[in-house]
Amino acid sequence: SAVISQKPSRDICQRGTSLTIQCQVDSQVTMMFWYRQQPGQSLTLIATANQGSEATYESGFVIDKFPISRPNLTFSTLTVSNMSPEDSSIYLCSVGRDRGDIGEQYFGPGTRLTVT
Amino acid sequence: DAKTTQPNSMESNEEEPVHLPCNHSTISGTDYIHWYRQLPSQGPEYVIHGLTSNVNNRMASLAIAEDRKSSTLILHRATLRDAAVYYCILRSYNQGGKLIFGQGTELSVKP
Repeated sequence: SAVISQKPSRDICQRGTSLTIQCQVDSQVTMMFWYRQQPGQSLTLIATANQGSEATYESGFVIDKFPISRPNLTFSTLTVSNMSPEDSSIYLCSVGRDRGDIGEQYFGPGTRLTVT
Repeated sequence: DAKTTQPNSMESNEEEPVHLPCNHSTISGTDYIHWYRQLPSQGPEYVIHGLTSNVNNRMASLAIAEDRKSSTLILHRATLRDAAVYYCILRSYNQGGKLIFGQGTELSVKP
């Protein structure tokens, strides 16, 4: 199993500012994923964070808006840039063991972001 | 990405079995059927997954149709703690391990 922590757990931010969310895992993992969950909605995959290479973004998400770092096998950050109220969501980090692994995936508790 | 169809919501009584259906008529041979659930104010948690055969674990059972176009998650005795949104997801190793969530079924459990 993997234990995932996220910081901050919640934040209230002004529009136009940026927030960096941290994801820490208690063991080395190959795959890290970032999701967004808008109020009352399901989860939407933002990007896959690959250690040692650029993140792979899903359709509708761009690096300028959601830059991601993955400096090692236990840590990643997601920045929400130039925020607007539409960015108010829960942001979740998730990990899997290997590329192409179809086993269990673990999720962090999420970061609840409110943009005013 | 292959799609799944689930009822928006279901109700159950405590200590009774619950059968949560999922249709996935466009499933391919490399797709595994995964179930996750999300309790209120928490991140999703893994429930079970399978390919062709029925699967059992301590949380639930997964019944897969012979043609694999549908599956059913079975909670043998629902508890109040099982109230959550249940997601049925098709996952292929060709997709690099990522999970694509649909809308899920919101299960409520009555005492």
